[in-house]
Amino acid sequence: AQSVTQLDSQVPVFEEAPVELRCNYSSSVSVYLFWYVQYPNQGLQLLLKYLSGSTLVKGINGFEAEFNKSQTSFHLRKPSVHISDTAEYFCAVRPGGSYIPTFGRGTSLIVHP
Amino acid sequence: EAGVAQSPRYKIIEKRQSVAFWCNPISGHATLYWYQQILGQGPKLLIQFQNNGVVDDSQLPKDRFSAERLKGVDSTLKIQPAKLEDSAVYLCASSLASTDAAEAFFGQGTRLTVV
Repeated sequence: AQSVTQLDSQVPVFEEAPVELRCNYSSSVSVYLFWYVQYPNQGLQLLLKYLSGSTLVKGINGFEAEFNKSQTSFHLRKPSVHISDTAEYFCAVRPGGSYIPTFGRGTSLIVHP
Repeated sequence: EAGVAQSPRYKIIEKRQSVAFWCNPISGHATLYWYQQILGQGPKLLIQFQNNGVVDDSQLPKDRFSAERLKGVDSTLKIQPAKLEDSAVYLCASSLASTDAAEAFFGQGTRLTVV
């Protein structure tokens, strides 16, 4: 079964600093990778996705992620965070040919002024 | 464009009681998903519908959970009887299709507390 590991449960950072949220997954022949953001009392919103092609994926709100097949990672980055980026971030993996995505446990990004 | 609507937003019940959640997906979305999100964990897919048919329900605890999407639009998820460990947020999502590139849109969820 597919597994997703988000190595940090909580990441505190100051406003305007860069941030990286880490995500590793168990290997599979082909995978589709996603990052979602969840604001308090809200549903999940898709930030970005990797399906194929360029390994550097750009998403909404200035976020980007890089697919690294050899390290089975899909880390999320933003060069300069804002207070409004404070939220829970979930990495998800969906093996090719499967309907079932597996989500990580989430990383709480806390941006301090 | 209206998003995915869910009701109620919050529900508190006693264990062994029954509860039902309702979801209205985005108009035209053929695929509908129910997820369970326990506090401190990522969402877990319970069931996926394609129109009014079940695509996958392998992670649905069928002894107490049931879901239906009779007309291929709205869906209800029922728990009967509820257990303490069912306390979670139940998220509904929909997408145009179940293909890999389809983006799922999520509702705000129903927070269930079983006491």
